[in-house]
Amino acid sequence: QVQLVESGGGVVQPGGSLRLSCATSGFTFSNYAIHWVRQAPGRGLEWVALIWFDASREDYRDSVKGRFTISRHRSTRKVDLQMNSLRDEDTAVYFCARDLNPMYFGEPQGVFDVWGQGTTVTVSS
Amino acid sequence: EIVLTQSPGTLSLSPGERATLSCRASQIVSSSYLAWYQQKPGQAPRLFIFGASSRATGIPDRFSGSGSGTDFTLTISRLEPEDFAVYFCQQYGSSPLTFGGGTKVEIK
Repeated sequence: QVQLVESGGGVVQPGGSLRLSCATSGFTFSNYAIHWVRQAPGRGLEWVALIWFDASREDYRDSVKGRFTISRHRSTRKVDLQMNSLRDEDTAVYFCARDLNPMYFGEPQGVFDVWGQGTTVTVSS
Repeated sequence: EIVLTQSPGTLSLSPGERATLSCRASQIVSSSYLAWYQQKPGQAPRLFIFGASSRATGIPDRFSGSGSGTDFTLTISRLEPEDFAVYFCQQYGSSPLTFGGGTKVEIK
């Protein structure tokens, strides 16, 4: 079955770095865009980043631009999120999620049809 | 950025009752690009509705979505025990993608 599994979360000091990884299985990896979405404790959901099915485009929310980098690796079927210059407000559970639209339907739709279980990032001194 | 406001914050209902959840956008959501997700404690969200009214795979027909422009509604016709959860709306008509703050449907 379609599955996404995040890893790499942990506790890091402000200004530090962390690399999250999303391992995928059960679908044709190169056909789907992948997003990262986060949820701060007791708060709502916040879209973070997107990478197109062929890695030709990336998009980020303003608050992480220049600090976070999303990448994908066809050989390992993984999508990574490199997070630098971390701030207190980056503390959250980070989910990776598959875009609903496969590539032959055109652009990523921005709807999340399969989610991982999440990995927790805590930024604290 | 489109801000989504969900109401009420909490809905206290009994099994078998009808639930009506509202999602209001600060700007028109183009092409009714509005989705609804359910989230239970300790779990990831699950896609229920996209395109304002299309049910995702495996979602029972007691769930229905409606609306356009800036006002959208998720209706659960008869609540089942497994429906008590938090529901989020999300717009994908413009970047950045944004979510509402959620409505908690709790057992009365």
